[in-house]
Amino acid sequence: DIVMTQSPLSLPVTPGEPASISCRSSQSLLHSNGYNYLAWYLQKPGQSPQLLIYVTSNRASGVPDRFSGSGSGTDFTLKISRVGTEDVGVYYCMQTLQTPVTFGPGTKVDIK
Amino acid sequence: EGQLVESGGGLVQPGGSLRLSCDASGFSFSSNWMNWVRQAPGKGLEWVANIKPDGIGKNYVDSVKGRFTISRDNAKNSLYLQMDSLRAEDTAVYYCTTISNSAFDYWGQGTLVTVSS
Repeated sequence: DIVMTQSPLSLPVTPGEPASISCRSSQSLLHSNGYNYLAWYLQKPGQSPQLLIYVTSNRASGVPDRFSGSGSGTDFTLKISRVGTEDVGVYYCMQTLQTPVTFGPGTKVDIK
Repeated sequence: EGQLVESGGGLVQPGGSLRLSCDASGFSFSSNWMNWVRQAPGKGLEWVANIKPDGIGKNYVDSVKGRFTISRDNAKNSLYLQMDSLRAEDTAVYYCTTISNSAFDYWGQGTLVTVSS
């Protein structure tokens, strides 16, 4: 199974400041089609997870452009250019290259 | 926009059974792989199972193999999860999700399954 790790696991942020979350996989997520099968989710308190980024760097519909994803192979990053109070919650990375699909442990983002 | 509504959760004793349902609307259900993902209280996300559009191809996480069965009825736009031999560690909110562009895009609100005596 592909093991996903994230850092940091807790991230206090100041509104208006940038933030970055790292995700690493135990195996390359590069598919033969050239895409890395890595997605990012935000789970706000009391809500279901919502898709932010798919195949590493594509924003899902309705996701603000302050969110961006990058990376390749085994190292990936989610960046928030200016954190808003509405961005608090737990962020998960997820790989869908292989079954079983696996998630990172989550990064809890809250306001300082 | 796609909508998913799960139902069927509740309190069940260890060793018991429960059947979850997920009703889909707003997208082409019969063309999509479907998944179940669960989240134990205060914990992270765990993929449980998926099923091909034709209902024949299925995959499971090792911890539920032989105990859970995923199925679908494309005529009813519904997804199911039959859970047998339930254990305390199966206690979780269960979400159904679709997959598009290699990511889970639509999620339901989840249904809580509690396994306890």
